[in-house]
Amino acid sequence: GAGVSQSPRYKVAKRGQDVALRCDPISGHVSLFWYQQALGQGPEFLTYFQNEAQLDKSGLPSDRFFAERPEGSVSTLKIQRTQQEDSAVYLCASSLAGTGTGNTIYFGEGSWLTVV
Amino acid sequence: GQNIDQPTEMTATEGAIVQINCTYQTSGFNGLFWYQQHAGEAPTFLSYNVLDGLEEKGRFSSFLSRSKGYSYLLLKELQMKDSASYLCAVRSGNTPLVFGKGTRLSVIA
Repeated sequence: GAGVSQSPRYKVAKRGQDVALRCDPISGHVSLFWYQQALGQGPEFLTYFQNEAQLDKSGLPSDRFFAERPEGSVSTLKIQRTQQEDSAVYLCASSLAGTGTGNTIYFGEGSWLTVV
Repeated sequence: GQNIDQPTEMTATEGAIVQINCTYQTSGFNGLFWYQQHAGEAPTFLSYNVLDGLEEKGRFSSFLSRSKGYSYLLLKELQMKDSASYLCAVRSGNTPLVFGKGTRLSVIA
């Protein structure tokens, strides 16, 4: 596609519900990143895929967070048993190559999650 | 890990010039990026520096000093539409970008 596409754009979940957030990267982009952005803060790294391989998941805040990219294209970020502190914008980004010098990452518009 | 510092908020007047500073501490520095983010929208790429010096792109310029761990984004001929958050992000080795908290710029008439 023309840009990184994320869905749903907005999600309200009751505390304890599971949510799944989808990211469709730019066509042909090898690398895919998930970031979490709280209000008034910068994006915080969650996890990174190169093709279908999850190379870094050091930013996932707890074992309630899980991400996958089974065919090396679309990715899903799943949050189990949501808590109020999970309320944030979840940004997906992709880049043509890996994390090496000069590789620019392009962001989607984010999925806004509110846990009530 | 990286420690990235930038001012929280700045205000400037339409038509003026503003400089947004970013300092960082990292090992294995491998590039610094600036992104613009309007409220409720995705961050969009503005500039990239990996060598010392100034990169100019229209009204926007970005400067890097690796020895000082310092960068700035310079915005000239400010327009109201430049009101946004400006995010400084650093790459260390081949790790994913780490972002600062962002600087919220308000352009006033």
